[in-house]
Amino acid sequence: DAKTTQPPSMDCAEGRAANLPCNHSTISGNEYVYWYRQIHSQGPQYIIHGLKNNETNEMASLIITEDRKSSTLILPHATLRDTAVYYCIVRTTGNQFYFGTGTSLTVIP
Amino acid sequence: SQTIHQWPATLVQPVGSPLSLECTVEGTSNPNLYWYRQAAGRGLQLLFYSVGIGQISSEVPQNLSASRPQDRQFILSSKKLLLSDSGFYLCAWSGLNYEQYFGPGTRLTVT
Repeated sequence: DAKTTQPPSMDCAEGRAANLPCNHSTISGNEYVYWYRQIHSQGPQYIIHGLKNNETNEMASLIITEDRKSSTLILPHATLRDTAVYYCIVRTTGNQFYFGTGTSLTVIP
Repeated sequence: SQTIHQWPATLVQPVGSPLSLECTVEGTSNPNLYWYRQAAGRGLQLLFYSVGIGQISSEVPQNLSASRPQDRQFILSSKKLLLSDSGFYLCAWSGLNYEQYFGPGTRLTVT
């Protein structure tokens, strides 16, 4: 029960912004959206999270729509090292994460 | 700073053999701890989580079990491995904002 929907794959040109969408139409009012990424054969890496306001950190920006039914992770200047599977996850009130299959982002030189 | 360790990194075990995977966390106290499994080409499946010593919650019924004998130690076990137990096993702990930090993982192949 991942509660999120993501496109299975995306490509992005190196140096351009990568915009990864996520739908979470059944999200509850107090559930947060988290983003992780997983580079091949490694453990997932935490990127960012948010509730309803847009968030930015050194890795990425998170844009959450006003109705909170969807969000977009933005990598402002994608590099080859950003090639990974990106997971959008809704944290349940039980503080557990349910990972879906994510979006496989390929950054193209 | 906090670090999380898992061992072994890789493991090849025959069907029917026992399993013990260990995870330890440094630099934090009373963390929430998690075990996940990732089958080849698939997403992560939450197996167990623990909010304290001796407190284990199971997400998926199977032939695996977990224990937390110490605050920063989480162990995944099986008495008899199945072929379907093959996968990438990941341990994680959660921080103040419930974000999870993952260990390097153990790649288990059951033959």
